[in-house]
Amino acid sequence: DQQVKQNSPSLSVQEGRISILNCDYTNSMFDYFLWYKKYPAEGPTFLISISSIKDKNEDGRFTVFLNKSAKHLSLHIVPSQPGDSAVYFCAARNSGYALNFGKGTSLLVTP
Amino acid sequence: ETGVTQSPTHLIKTRGQQVTLRCSSQSGHNTVSWYQQALGQGPQFIFQYYREEENGRGNFPPRFSGLQFPNYSSELNVNALELDDSALYLCASSLGGAGASYEQYFGPGTRLTVT
Repeated sequence: DQQVKQNSPSLSVQEGRISILNCDYTNSMFDYFLWYKKYPAEGPTFLISISSIKDKNEDGRFTVFLNKSAKHLSLHIVPSQPGDSAVYFCAARNSGYALNFGKGTSLLVTP
Repeated sequence: ETGVTQSPTHLIKTRGQQVTLRCSSQSGHNTVSWYQQALGQGPQFIFQYYREEENGRGNFPPRFSGLQFPNYSSELNVNALELDDSALYLCASSLGGAGASYEQYFGPGTRLTVT
């Protein structure tokens, strides 16, 4: 039962443009959401997070938006750079201890 | 500040064998979580250890077991290996208890192949 869904397996964006990665979830008990970036042969790297009591969090070029009523969050990267090319995972935490991950979206930023 | 380290990097085992994977947590962290990532999937939670006790477990059979040591490093043991156990095993450390942080920081993983 996939509680966190990333419905776009891949995304291609030109350098300098905005990248928007989407994530949907089904469990209304999730209280904290995180985005991770993963390069081949490396572990996931924490990128940015947001609490369920907020609707936006910004860190440099990265902004995460949360729409609780729609059970949807998105990661915006502006401007996109070739080094941003990686697999991006959305993860959600409930009141316990585990992170529930989506299957990931592979982002390719072309020059 | 030392990040999360895992050993070995790669491992090949035969079906039915047993394997032990190791993880050293990031300095200052007292909680270790283990995840299994199959090809094309997101990481799946196996279990978490906090202060040397199992603090929660995902949907994995008892042949997956673990330990956490006083220095907060951890081991994942898998008995009676099956072909479907072939995956990337990820260890993540975090700060639990008072002043807990929800962010988990991952190591590079151990690639296990079962033949």
